[in-house]
Amino acid sequence: GAVVSQHPSWVICKSGTSVKIECRSLDFQATTMFWYRQFPKQSLMLMATSNEGSKATYEQGVEKDKFLINHASLTLSTLTVTSAHPEDSSFYICSAKNYGKAGGGGTQYFGPGTRLLVL
Amino acid sequence: GNSVTQMEGPVTLSEEAFLTINCTYTATGYPSLFWYVQYPGEGLQLLLKATKADDKGSNKGFEATYRKETTSFHLEKGSVQVSDSAVYFCALRTITGNQFYFGTGTSLTVIP
Repeated sequence: GAVVSQHPSWVICKSGTSVKIECRSLDFQATTMFWYRQFPKQSLMLMATSNEGSKATYEQGVEKDKFLINHASLTLSTLTVTSAHPEDSSFYICSAKNYGKAGGGGTQYFGPGTRLLVL
Repeated sequence: GNSVTQMEGPVTLSEEAFLTINCTYTATGYPSLFWYVQYPGEGLQLLLKATKADDKGSNKGFEATYRKETTSFHLEKGSVQVSDSAVYFCALRTITGNQFYFGTGTSLTVIP
């Protein structure tokens, strides 16, 4: 089946530094990739949607200058948390949507997540 | 708007007990409905889905039926196992877009 990977799986960084998280679709091309954030004991919240070669669309309340998203190819999207602070500590999950069958909408596959801890 | 409400946990059951996790939704149009499972330390995995009213999704002994009249998609399993311990998320995807709306998740612990 379709596999989505994330790297790193967990990261600890100092406050004020930037952290880059990669999301890759390993065996399919993704028309669209999505980034979610999950706080402890809460649901996933969509942060942004990105299409290859175009600017990401951010959800209301998400700072686009803080959470930089680059979708450089059909198999890779990156999320960079700039000037990270302790309140950015969270579980970040990406998903990738493949091309659907003719007339279909494709299927989203979720990555395993990246746990970020900002000290 | 679109939203998903699912029963709060945590839920603790003995092995072989019957499981029900309630899920109701609010949506414009006719969404697709999903149950995802998240095992400790792992990402989301699709458990089952239903795309139209009265459809029944099933997988690994779990079932859920898309009930349009009650806007519900309750998850059931007749006999749970210790390996079913995980967090279960109900979700909807709108017919017009890519976006998923997730419930808050229900933690299930099955004890031997």
